[in-house]
Amino acid sequence: DIVMTQSPLSLPVTPGEPASISCRSSQSLLHSNEYNYLDWYLQKPGQSPQLLIYLVSNRASGVPDRFSGSGSGTDFTLNISRVEAEDVGIYYCMQVLQTPFTFGQGTNLEI
Amino acid sequence: QVQVVESGGGLVKPGGSLRLSCAASRFTFSDYCTSWIRQAPGKGLEWLSYISSSGTSMYYGDSVKGRFTISRDNAENSVYLQMNSLSVEDTAVYYCARGVMIAGSPYAFDVWGHGTMVIVSS
Repeated sequence: DIVMTQSPLSLPVTPGEPASISCRSSQSLLHSNEYNYLDWYLQKPGQSPQLLIYLVSNRASGVPDRFSGSGSGTDFTLNISRVEAEDVGIYYCMQVLQTPFTFGQGTNLEI
Repeated sequence: QVQVVESGGGLVKPGGSLRLSCAASRFTFSDYCTSWIRQAPGKGLEWLSYISSSGTSMYYGDSVKGRFTISRDNAENSVYLQMNSLSVEDTAVYYCARGVMIAGSPYAFDVWGHGTMVIVSS
C-alpha cells in the first residue's frame, strides 16, 4: 500500500499570512498518462470533506485562487497565499494512483 | 443541485450486518464511479471501496475486504455497501463520494454526501 505522510500535523496561522502543507508518498504517484494522482481535501469543522485540488495543481470548482498545489513524484505541497478565517479545518492529501487509495493523516489548520 | 445522500446507518451489535445506501441526484449517475470512505470518531479519513461506473469492477481496502460488498443500481441511481461481521472498530461516519474519471479510473472525488453514522456496540 502507498503510505501518505503529511507535515505538519498542526498548523497555527495568522490571517493574511501564507501557509504551506507538505505531503509525501512512499512511492511515485506518476501515472503512465503523465499525471500525478494526488488530490487535496479540506474538512471544515462539522462538515464533510470537500475537494480542493485535483491532480496536484488543479483547483476544484469554486475554490479560491489563494489555494495552489505543486509537486511531482513523491513530494507535494499545498499552499495558501493568504489565510482567511474560513480556511480553518483539516487538510488531507490523498493518492488515487492505485487501490487501496490512501489519505495522509491530516493537517489541522487553526487560526 | 448535484448531490449524493447516504442512508442506512444506525446501531448494530458486534457480528451484525448493515446495508448502507447512497442515492445520487441531478447528474448522470452512470457516468461516474463511486467510493465509500469512513471516518471513525476523532480520526482521519479511510478509503473503503470503489465501484466503477458500470458496476463491473470493485475494489476494497484491506480492513473491509471479505466483509463488505459494494454494488450499484444505475437504474435507481444508487450505490450500496453491504457490511457484514461488523466489529466495534467499524464505528464511524460513512461517506459516499462521486468519482471523476480518466480512462476509466478515478482521479478525484468531487461530490461528497453528509455521511451516515454507524455505531457497533453491544
